[in-house]
This record gives sequence, structure tokens and C-alpha cells, in this order.
Amino acid sequence: GENVEQHPSTLSVQEGDSAVIKCTYSDSASNYFPWYKQELGKRPQLIIDIRSNVGEKKDQRIAVTLNKTAKHFSLHITETQPEDSAVYFCAASTAGNTPLVFGKGTRLSVIA
Amino acid sequence: DAGVTQSPTHLIKTRGQHVTLRCSPISGHKSVSWYQQVLGQGPQFIFQYYEKEERGRGNFPDRFSARQFPNYSSELNVNALLLGDSALYLCASSKAGQGLGQPQHFGDGTRLSIL
Repeated sequence: GENVEQHPSTLSVQEGDSAVIKCTYSDSASNYFPWYKQELGKRPQLIIDIRSNVGEKKDQRIAVTLNKTAKHFSLHITETQPEDSAVYFCAASTAGNTPLVFGKGTRLSVIA
Repeated sequence: DAGVTQSPTHLIKTRGQHVTLRCSPISGHKSVSWYQQVLGQGPQFIFQYYEKEERGRGNFPDRFSARQFPNYSSELNVNALLLGDSALYLCASSKAGQGLGQPQHFGDGTRLSIL
């Protein structure tokens, strides 16, 4: 089955700097890659997603890139703010009724 | 529009008991999935239901069961509770089945503690 690896497990950045979180997946059939942000005690919130027919997607300060050949995708957050501090999860799924498989998460701390 | 709602928010049970968790999807969403999130880990898939039929099951024992009702709400049942069942149980809804790569939106979860 699908396996998703996520790095780093923790990340600290200064306010205003960029943050990058990387994920790799094992199943070449995976074609949908969402990213979730989970603040302490709250629900995972979908922040951006990308499908395999697209190499990059951007939404304001957040962007996701996908390299299908290498089977990895990354989340980029620019001009980080303290409210970006949270745990971020990547996930992958394939067509044909397979579930989301999540990475173990990255705890991002933005230091003011 | 209301998001995914789950009840109860917190629950304390003892070993051997059973529990029923409830989920109401976003209006118009026909697919409901259940995930277990242990502290410090990503959510792990338990079940998916679409149009009242089970469409997927994760690697969980038969003590876990679920169903979806005609109004697309769902219940997750866990029997013979073990200490290891302590976790946050999340429900997610999407417009269609997961196979179509539909965004899934999560509820706030039910925090289950087993004593």
C-alpha cells in the first residue's frame, strides 16, 4: 500500500522567513495530494491541494510543488507569521477508492 | 453553511465498554470517512462510506464498525474498548468518493479516553 514520509518533523523559522516541508510517496498511482494544517486541539484544516496533472499550485503565501518522477511534493510558506505555527500534514491518495494516507506531520514554529 | 459536526466532543470510557460516535457531513456531501489520530501522529484511515455503502476499510480489528444513514450522517462503533483505543476520532466528508480525489473536510473530532 501507499506510504508517505514527511520531513522535517519539527521546523523553527523566524517571522518573515520561508518554510519548506517535504513529503515522498511510494505508490506511483497516487494522483491527489492535499496539505492540512492542525492547530492544537483543533480539526485538520485543508489549506491547499494538488492533482497529478499539475506541477505547481499557489494560493497567496502558500504553494505546493509536485514532482511525479521523483514521487515527492513540497509545501512552501513564504513571509511566515506567528499564526502559521501549527502541525502540518501531507497526504496522498490514488484513484479508485483508496483512502488518504497521511505523513506523520511537521510541527512548524514561527518565532516573532 | 455548517461544517462537519461530530458528537460527543469528549468521552471517557473504561476497558471492555462500547462506544458510538456520530458525524454529520457538510450539506451536499455524500461521502463520510472516519480516521483515528493518536497523539503526535497523522490520522489513520478506518472506514469510508459513500451512498450508504462501505467503500473502504483500514487495518483495524472487527471491533470497529460503522454505518451511514439515508441522510448521509454516520456512526462509528467500537466494541470491547482497549486502552490503545484512546485517540481523537475524526470524521471527514467529501462530495464524492475518495477515488475521485475530492477534498475532504474534517470535523473537530471526538476525543476518546479509555481508563
